[in-house]
Amino acid sequence: DTGVSQDPRHKITKRGQNVTFRCDPISEHNRLYWYRQTLGQGPEFLTYFQNEAQLEKSRLLSDRFSAERPKGSFSTLEIQRTEQGDSAMYLCASSHRGYGYTFGSGTRLTVV
Amino acid sequence: DQQVKQNSPSLSVQEGRISILNCDYTNSMFDYFLWYKKYPAEGPTFLISISSIKDKNEDGRFTVFLNKSAKHLSLHIVPSQPGDSAVYFCAVSSGNTPLVFGKGTRLSVIA
Repeated sequence: DTGVSQDPRHKITKRGQNVTFRCDPISEHNRLYWYRQTLGQGPEFLTYFQNEAQLEKSRLLSDRFSAERPKGSFSTLEIQRTEQGDSAMYLCASSHRGYGYTFGSGTRLTVV
Repeated sequence: DQQVKQNSPSLSVQEGRISILNCDYTNSMFDYFLWYKKYPAEGPTFLISISSIKDKNEDGRFTVFLNKSAKHLSLHIVPSQPGDSAVYFCAVSSGNTPLVFGKGTRLSVIA
């Protein structure tokens, strides 16, 4: 297993466009988390899944954001109608039952 | 309101000396505490953790201390090495809830 994989590593998009990111967790991990990190801040929790069920969403996750984890494997995070304030590093992590998070390298989104 | 505070944005230490990074939290319900290390363009990597039933945990050059009454934890690195230069995040959890992170402290170890 090569760890948590995120794709793409970098994404530049025009304001108003939709973007989708993918995360492939460690295969035996049942929990998957999405975090967002902006400059000078720590990772901020967005949402998490246990298997295919989305158990919690942060108030940071506006209506323009949606996440899925079909069949409890990989996950996608979609942002519709992107805004400049969405520019950030989007981090995915996985864990076994909530212990020992392993993070991916992140997707850096730039909205121009 | 910030639940986890790392009040020092940066710290500079000479190689071979001790680095002490600090973290304060507000909620006494937190029962699991971790430190992560982050290099540029990479995701955070787990360093060391401690549960609320202990007050010290050691792993090689890294030791985490927990003071529950003060709601304070610290990370000691000794001796510090240039490869330790990174951003260090404190993270906390309560009852296996998603981790809450501090803003981080940038450590620079000078050779």
